[in-house]
Amino acid sequence: NAGVTQTPKFQVLKTGQSMTLQCAQDMNHNSMYWYRQDPGMGLRLIYYSASEGTTDKGEVPNGYNVSRLNKREFSLRLESAAPSQTSVYFCASGVGTQYFGPGTRLLVL
Amino acid sequence: DQQVKQNSPSLSVQEGRISILNCDYTNSMFDYFLWYKKYPAEGPTFLISISSIKDKNEDGRFTVFLNKSAKHLSLHIVPSQPGDSAVYFCAASSSNYQLIWGAGTKLIIKP
Repeated sequence: NAGVTQTPKFQVLKTGQSMTLQCAQDMNHNSMYWYRQDPGMGLRLIYYSASEGTTDKGEVPNGYNVSRLNKREFSLRLESAAPSQTSVYFCASGVGTQYFGPGTRLLVL
Repeated sequence: DQQVKQNSPSLSVQEGRISILNCDYTNSMFDYFLWYKKYPAEGPTFLISISSIKDKNEDGRFTVFLNKSAKHLSLHIVPSQPGDSAVYFCAASSSNYQLIWGAGTKLIIKP
């Protein structure tokens, strides 16, 4: 039982490049989330998916897209990375109490 | 406009003593509150929660207190241990989906 897994763990991009962050959970949760965490700030919700086939914007969705591929997997895509997207990205799943993956550290140069 | 505030960026406590972490909120619609613990280079880990119908919830060394009239919650850790050194986040929810997070308090347990 791995819980929530994320890949990659670390990534360096140049401005304008694209990438997809992958997330999978094996807890049979309907709801999944993508957050970003910046220094001195709490986690901010980018997008969430209440169930397979649905996605909704969170607090900071600009510059991101998501895909709920199936019940287990929820991916986050940066189409054209910007330095302001340098952050640590966390995926989570669950309702009420959320369970988190280990994070992806993204540096955009 | 921060709906959930943790006003102390850091807190230093002697090993064996009580650690008290505080959190204030502004939205009276919040009905579920959680505390998470985070170590460097790891994801947040759920610690303890409380529903707005309660004013206290206890789990081993961890107790969360909720004062709805003051819109304030606190996490007590007794006794504090070196492994408790981490960043603690409080979060609040008024629905099943979106958690609103505080900025975190870094707890340092001194030997």
